[in-house]
Amino acid sequence: DAGITQSPRHKVTETGTPVTLRCHQTENHRYMYWYRQDPGHGLRLIHYSYGVKDTDKGEVSDGYSVSRSKTEDFLLTLESATSSQTSVYFCAISETGSSLGYTFGSGTRLTVV
Amino acid sequence: GQQLNQSPQSMFIQEGEDVSMNCTSSSIFNTWLWYKQDPGEGPVLLIALYKAGELTSNGRLTAQFGITRKDSFLNISASIPSDVGIYFCALPEETSGSRLTFGEGTQLTVNP
Repeated sequence: DAGITQSPRHKVTETGTPVTLRCHQTENHRYMYWYRQDPGHGLRLIHYSYGVKDTDKGEVSDGYSVSRSKTEDFLLTLESATSSQTSVYFCAISETGSSLGYTFGSGTRLTVV
Repeated sequence: GQQLNQSPQSMFIQEGEDVSMNCTSSSIFNTWLWYKQDPGEGPVLLIALYKAGELTSNGRLTAQFGITRKDSFLNISASIPSDVGIYFCALPEETSGSRLTFGEGTQLTVNP
């Protein structure tokens, strides 16, 4: 969607390697989120940020870390990728928080072999 | 966090049919959101509900905020092939209004 870009769109990596996914926004929104989507589980929150250098854990944060050094970028790092982290990862942004909804990126499909 | 149950998990219908799906929560909420995800894309907000009993339409889509404030319904009338996708309900977290919890999703397939 316009204003939010995820990179890469697709990635295949080996078990045990570190992986970083990037979310970039041009909307100057305060809140940014990382979700993963898996069949039968819907979208589950990994980590989120409520400002530069302000982050917090979500429902499924184990094995993931995040950083936000600039308003426009929110990075998700898999410290040592495992097959259970094969998923589609979505970044979302929000200006005011959740009640008005989010704008989502187009997703990153990650395969860990 | 709250439990959010969405049903059905999947639906296979013929073009022109009406569709209904629903979500129930374990707690009372003041906001219900409905999203649609097209294949290969991120979810997009369809309808937002902020008042118990509220009925809101967006074209052929109609959503209702249940009177008990623990459920919501989404109806699609006269389905067309482009209605294909995954539909999600979503609620703000109880303790932090800045986070959304999503239902498991309803996968809709429309046969021409």
